[in-house]
Amino acid sequence: EAQVTQNPRYLITVTGKKLTVTCSQNMNHEYMSWYRQDPGLGLRQIYYSMNVEVTDKGDVPEGYKVSRKEKRNFPLILESPSPNQTSLYFCASSFAANTEAFFGQGTRLTVV
Amino acid sequence: GESVGLHLPTLSVQEGDNSIINCAYSNSASDYFIWYKQESGKGPQFIIDIRSNMDKRQGQRVTVLLNKTVKHLSLQIAATQPGDSAVYFCAEKGSGGGADGLTFGKGTHLIIQP
Repeated sequence: EAQVTQNPRYLITVTGKKLTVTCSQNMNHEYMSWYRQDPGLGLRQIYYSMNVEVTDKGDVPEGYKVSRKEKRNFPLILESPSPNQTSLYFCASSFAANTEAFFGQGTRLTVV
Repeated sequence: GESVGLHLPTLSVQEGDNSIINCAYSNSASDYFIWYKQESGKGPQFIIDIRSNMDKRQGQRVTVLLNKTVKHLSLQIAATQPGDSAVYFCAEKGSGGGADGLTFGKGTHLIIQP
């Protein structure tokens, strides 16, 4: 089954404690991205990757890092989480930037 | 139906009626548009897309209309069912060749009345 898998689904952490949210896709997609979703603001792109070892900032990259060492994986790293990063996070993949994006189930992160 | 505040626009329709959800986009250079459906606790799910060289596209029970003159996109759902209750997002992609992703609207909450 074609899918995008994120882990964990739910995470509560404390300010400053590094965390990683994993994302994996099995569709051999070139393009992957991370979004955060906040009430009233919709989905905003954090980072994206056009291919292995190619990543770039989206609209709201501050406080986040990503890596793309393999085509199927695109982890999101928060080196020092802060409460304003409490949000619902989605990973997405697609063949290209201008084609249908497939989304994961989301990771609800709470930073206290 | 785009929101600038904390509350999503809401559309309430009777089961069996047709629904029309509207979206105004901002970038006149956008050439690709998608509608997504997001149910509670789930990720956005693709419904239908349209490219700027078309003004209408039909799927199963859904139709997307694109009016580039006024930068307006709409999603029509025929014979609305309880399972159609969700938040619907429009998304656009510019034609500039950039690798940045889709720009999403803030969503419309569709509520189906029995």
